Amino acid sequence: DAGVTQSPTHLIKTRGQQVTLRCSPKSGHDTVSWYQQALGQGPQFIFQYYEEEERQRGNFPDRFSGHQFPNYSSELNVNALLLGDSALYLCASSPNRVSYGYTFGSGTRLTVV
Amino acid sequence: AQSVTQPDIHITVSEGASLELRCNYSYGATPYLFWYVQSPGQGLQLLLKYFSGDTLVQGIKGFEAEFKRSQSSFNLRKPSVHWSDAAEYFCAVGEGGGSYIPTFGRGTSLIVHP
Repeated sequence: DAGVTQSPTHLIKTRGQQVTLRCSPKSGHDTVSWYQQALGQGPQFIFQYYEEEERQRGNFPDRFSGHQFPNYSSELNVNALLLGDSALYLCASSPNRVSYGYTFGSGTRLTVV
Repeated sequence: AQSVTQPDIHITVSEGASLELRCNYSYGATPYLFWYVQSPGQGLQLLLKYFSGDTLVQGIKGFEAEFKRSQSSFNLRKPSVHWSDAAEYFCAVGEGGGSYIPTFGRGTSLIVHP
């Protein structure tokens, strides 16, 4: 049984560009949450998707947007990249919006130059 | 708003020694509390969680944690550390209910000396 799969594993982008990160949740999970983990920091909540809608959002600008597909997979899009967006982006899946059932992926390391 | 403080950025222990990682939280009601571990290049893995009931919680890999309401603490312990325990440890707190979002501390890096 595959866990949470994220792609790509590493990515280098230039300031001002746009990026799309992808996440496939664990089998049986229908909720996807995205976190940003800057170097030396804990994960910061970006937003949560359930039933193809954004249900909750953390303190992140509108440059961060997402989508959830009917198969529960999800994308995180970041526009107009800043150097400060460099971080590990983690996807966590869970069943029925229950966050204490999180299963995390290994993350996508985004570097903005 | 809920918050988590992990006062130790780095902890160094010798293999076989006991371990205690500190976590203090700020939350008005009874919190849901968690400890996660993150190995280099990996995502976070849940070690244990506390929702209610017995304040001493057993987790995976020989870890345990004790909820102390009077001290707003949820410290993680292990009686004998193995070299493979070297990793980053995160404490998290969430409000009760089904759809809360946990808030993570900044983490404690555990270094294990042979």
